[in-house]
Amino acid sequence: AQKITQTQPGMFVQEKEAVTLDCTYDTSDPSYGLFWYKQPSSGEMIFLIYQGSYDQQNATEGRYSLNFQKARKSANLVISASQLGDSAMYFCAMREGYNDMRFGAGTRLTVKP
Amino acid sequence: NAGVTQTPKFQVLKTGQSMTLQCAQDMNHEYMSWYRQDPGMGLRLIHYSVGAGITDQGEVPNGYNVSRSTTEDFPLRLLSAAPSQTSVYFCASSYSVLQGVANEKLFFGSGTQLSVL
Repeated sequence: AQKITQTQPGMFVQEKEAVTLDCTYDTSDPSYGLFWYKQPSSGEMIFLIYQGSYDQQNATEGRYSLNFQKARKSANLVISASQLGDSAMYFCAMREGYNDMRFGAGTRLTVKP
Repeated sequence: NAGVTQTPKFQVLKTGQSMTLQCAQDMNHEYMSWYRQDPGMGLRLIHYSVGAGITDQGEVPNGYNVSRSTTEDFPLRLLSAAPSQTSVYFCASSYSVLQGVANEKLFFGSGTQLSVL
């Protein structure tokens, strides 16, 4: 079964600094996708970034980048130049072949002014 | 575009009552699913469907029923509500292709906050 681990229940970062949110995963399927979602206090789930298992380069979307280390089975989210609006819950998720998307427990990020 | 629409946004039930959470999407997605979100546990899959007439269980299906009579709608039924079902419920959908869904992101509804007293 898929397993996603986020070991940081909470993180703090100073405004304008970079922060890395950790995610490790476990799968035996060679084809899978890794996703990060943001959940602000308003509750909606916002898609941030995607990385495919066969992608050679790390994914980037604006201030978000995904540090994909396939051999270590890690897919850390890097947020550069943090903003107050980045304060939220962040979920790492994985989807295999024809299967469902499974989520980690989440990391609550707080950006300090 | 409406995307994924969930109703109601809030609901309070008494133990033993039944109710249906509605979910509709207008993106012609074949794949639809229901998750529940509890503190410290992320999102856990309740039920999912890969197309009209096809449903299957996820991680935590007990106490819930689903059906998929149309591509657009995927209601979640609580048969006899229990306090353990107090949670935030999300409906989500995605494309589903022959090559698989590994690269398909989920589109989420806005969630339903359910309290069972």
